[in-house]
Amino acid sequence: AQKVTQAQTEISVVEKEDVTLDCVYETRDTTYYLFWYKQPPSGELVFLIRRNSFDEQNEISGRYSWNFQKSTSSFNFTITASQVVDSAVYFCALSDDSGGGADGLTFGKGTHLIIQP
Amino acid sequence: NAGVTQTPKFQVLKTGQSMTLQCAQDMNHNSMYWYRQDPGMGLRLIYYSASEGTTDKGEVPNGYNVSRLNKREFSLRLESAAPSQTSVYFCASSDQKTGGVHNEQFFGPGTRLTVL
Repeated sequence: AQKVTQAQTEISVVEKEDVTLDCVYETRDTTYYLFWYKQPPSGELVFLIRRNSFDEQNEISGRYSWNFQKSTSSFNFTITASQVVDSAVYFCALSDDSGGGADGLTFGKGTHLIIQP
Repeated sequence: NAGVTQTPKFQVLKTGQSMTLQCAQDMNHNSMYWYRQDPGMGLRLIYYSASEGTTDKGEVPNGYNVSRLNKREFSLRLESAAPSQTSVYFCASSDQKTGGVHNEQFFGPGTRLTVL
């Protein structure tokens, strides 16, 4: 069975601080994909990144970076020099190969990130 | 491109009433999904449709039915609404083919449903 754990329910930091959001996953499949989504206060879900299980390279996109470690089943997300606009709920999600990938995402419960000015 | 659209945006029902949530996508995606989001619970999959003509249960299907009307449209029906179905409902679509690369899902704006 798939499972995604985001142990940090809420994180509050002051603007310009760096912050890391943790994500730990469980799956029996060797082929799987991990995703991060952002949900700002307006409520829509915004796709941030997709990573497959065969690619452990870390990725950087501007102030955002992702650290994928299969050894610890983790896919952590770091925001560098945080800004107030980063305030949102962030979801980590998993899709494995049990349903061929078309059977939906398993989401973590989300981390509410608050950036204080 | 409108992406994924959902109607209505808000709805209030009384216990026992029925209603259908509509979802449409204009990205020619094969797969469509219905999720519900409850406080502190993340998103949970209700039903999905891997391709036109097929539908399957997700994690929390009880109390719901779905119809994949055509490639564009995927509706969710509550036959007899209960207070436990108060939630925000999201529809999503993906260019996902069974056995292929797992592509990202694109989400609609959500429907906020309250059942009294």
